[in-house]
Amino acid sequence: GAVVSQHPSWVICKSGTSVKIECRSLDFQATTMFWYRQFPKQSLMLMATSNEGSKATYEQGVEKDKFLINHASLTLSTLTVTSAHPEDSSFYICSARDPSTDRFSYEQYFGPGTRLTVT
Amino acid sequence: GQNIDQPTEMTATEGAIVQINCTYQTSGFNGLFWYQQHAGEAPTFLSYNVLDGLEEKGRFSSFLSRSKGYSYLLLKELQMKDSASYLCAVLDSNYQLIWGAGTKLIIKP
Repeated sequence: GAVVSQHPSWVICKSGTSVKIECRSLDFQATTMFWYRQFPKQSLMLMATSNEGSKATYEQGVEKDKFLINHASLTLSTLTVTSAHPEDSSFYICSARDPSTDRFSYEQYFGPGTRLTVT
Repeated sequence: GQNIDQPTEMTATEGAIVQINCTYQTSGFNGLFWYQQHAGEAPTFLSYNVLDGLEEKGRFSSFLSRSKGYSYLLLKELQMKDSASYLCAVLDSNYQLIWGAGTKLIIKP
């Protein structure tokens, strides 16, 4: 149980274009999803917390107009990188919490990640 | 501010035991997680401690001392596949996960 998928697993796009990444909870309803970014040899950096039916909460320094997050259903959150630039190239990982989980109600289940390369 | 410290890199020998330490200073505490992350992959859950003491799960054990703001992950009978980064993360008073920078573990034959 508690499987999270991400699509695409990797994407290459040209500078100035937009890219959408999907995060799905396959066997549970995720009221809260998280979006992380990870640069090579660095730890996870939380970008934003996405709550179903409401606006995402962005971390300090993350441009909400550049990284659009939509959490329209209990099983799907999307991250759109708008007007991508080479410095946006990174590993983007989503995670989700399953509120029905007993002891580990705050454990985050991670998707496999999406590697974005902007040329 | 909130802070989690763990060593940047450790090296150990196949078959041996290694202990990865994590110290934390956070606003509140609702549990500590250890995750394993292989290069280019997403983190996978290893353990969760919310009470003091040692929790053992196969070759991996995790220890917590809340009064000392300290945890460690103990890996026994090391295998080459254990080469990975190990991330310590604390759930603060707002139930937000605060992540450490990770410890890269290198296993040598």
